[in-house]
Amino acid sequence: EPEVTQTPSHQVTQMGQEVILRCVPISNHLYFYWYRQILGQKVEFLVSFYNNEISEKSEIFDDQFSVERPDGSNFTLKIRSTKLEDSAMYFCATGQGYSTDTQYFGPGTRLTVL
Amino acid sequence: AQTVTQSQPEMSVQEAETVTLSCTYDTSESDYYLFWYKQPPSRQMILVIRQEAYKQQNATENRFSVNFQKAAKSFSLKISDSQLGDAAMYFCAYRSGETSGSRLTFGEGTQLTVNP
Repeated sequence: EPEVTQTPSHQVTQMGQEVILRCVPISNHLYFYWYRQILGQKVEFLVSFYNNEISEKSEIFDDQFSVERPDGSNFTLKIRSTKLEDSAMYFCATGQGYSTDTQYFGPGTRLTVL
Repeated sequence: AQTVTQSQPEMSVQEAETVTLSCTYDTSESDYYLFWYKQPPSRQMILVIRQEAYKQQNATENRFSVNFQKAAKSFSLKISDSQLGDAAMYFCAYRSGETSGSRLTFGEGTQLTVNP
């Protein structure tokens, strides 16, 4: 069964550094999402991406964040100048984009900012 | 904006017994979808069950079923014959059906413990 994959599984970085989180979507999916879960809290939407552009973003997704699909397969989330409060689990999800579809989640990347 | 509320931070159940997890939501939309996701200690998000708002029949998936009360905006998850592997955090989620590719809005989660 096709699945969403994410790398790395765990990333440790120093405050102020840039990180790139990577996701490989399910092959026939057209919509891509990033969600964040701070430890002990609920899952929060960051951004959705369709047809090589952002289709929706939350108030969390400020200028510190960016997304792209650099090579037509990977979907990346870049966090510039990381802060301590960026420490969280970051989930990529993908879907076919129909109004009836389901979003399938990757295993997540745990980001620790020191 | 839509909101999802799970009022039970923690629940426990004996193995082989039945447990019900509660979820309420608030929306002004008529076309939407509701989901339950399971998050085990690995923190992977696993889809358990989904319900289309336009369907009156409650969704079922093996030991998992929902009680969808549209007028009351309630969407509870029933787990029958609970197994040790059911122990996890369970999240209720809402998605609009009025636009393609819309976001999921999650509740706070319910931590389910299954006692042997």
